[in-house]
Amino acid sequence: GQNIDQPTEMTATEGAIVQINCTYQTSGFNGLFWYQQHAGEAPTFLSYNVLDGLEEKGRFSSFLSRSKGYSYLLLKELQMKDSASYLCAVSIYNTDKLIFGTGTRLQVFP
Amino acid sequence: GAVVSQHPSRVICKSGTSVKIECRSLDFQATTMFWYRQFPKQSLMLMATSNEGSKATYEQGVEKDKFLINHASLTLSTLTVTSAHPEDSSFYICSARGTSGGKSSTDTQYFGPGTRLTVL
Repeated sequence: GQNIDQPTEMTATEGAIVQINCTYQTSGFNGLFWYQQHAGEAPTFLSYNVLDGLEEKGRFSSFLSRSKGYSYLLLKELQMKDSASYLCAVSIYNTDKLIFGTGTRLQVFP
Repeated sequence: GAVVSQHPSRVICKSGTSVKIECRSLDFQATTMFWYRQFPKQSLMLMATSNEGSKATYEQGVEKDKFLINHASLTLSTLTVTSAHPEDSSFYICSARGTSGGKSSTDTQYFGPGTRLTVL
């Protein structure tokens, strides 16, 4: 079966750093995506990890450990507009599918 | 970046009617498109995978006769919700697969803006 877990909700303060974790147990793994989704809108692509390690892209970084079935999204210098849901999604090997985690709703306070 | 459009963005219909949702990739050709459903405060659930020129592959528990998918060209896929009922009210999102900046082992999915369906 496929199981992807994320914390349901997180809160943080403007200017701070927040780490959103994602653990997965899937039958076949190709890579892991992070998407941001504002309420009522479609997800937008943030990052993609295939190999172990950290990928940095501006204020956002994503880390992957394939052996541990673990990823995190790191958001630095938080802004109010970062309040959104963050979805991790596993690309299943040898298929076209993305399996999404439960999503983490992040609320940034001033 | 790759752009995917969906039409309509919102639709309200009476129970028993059919509703068609279009998904278009505007600046790239998408051999594969995906249809998802998202209920409030929940994550995306894959409904079906649509390949151009062939029958869609439906996920377990999704009724293929109720959710008709057609992928007639490399830039257009349609989802028709037949005989809609209030429990079909949801946010329907399509995605099209594009390239992920040189990482050849898989391709990034780019999402349309979604269609909010309300069945009365």
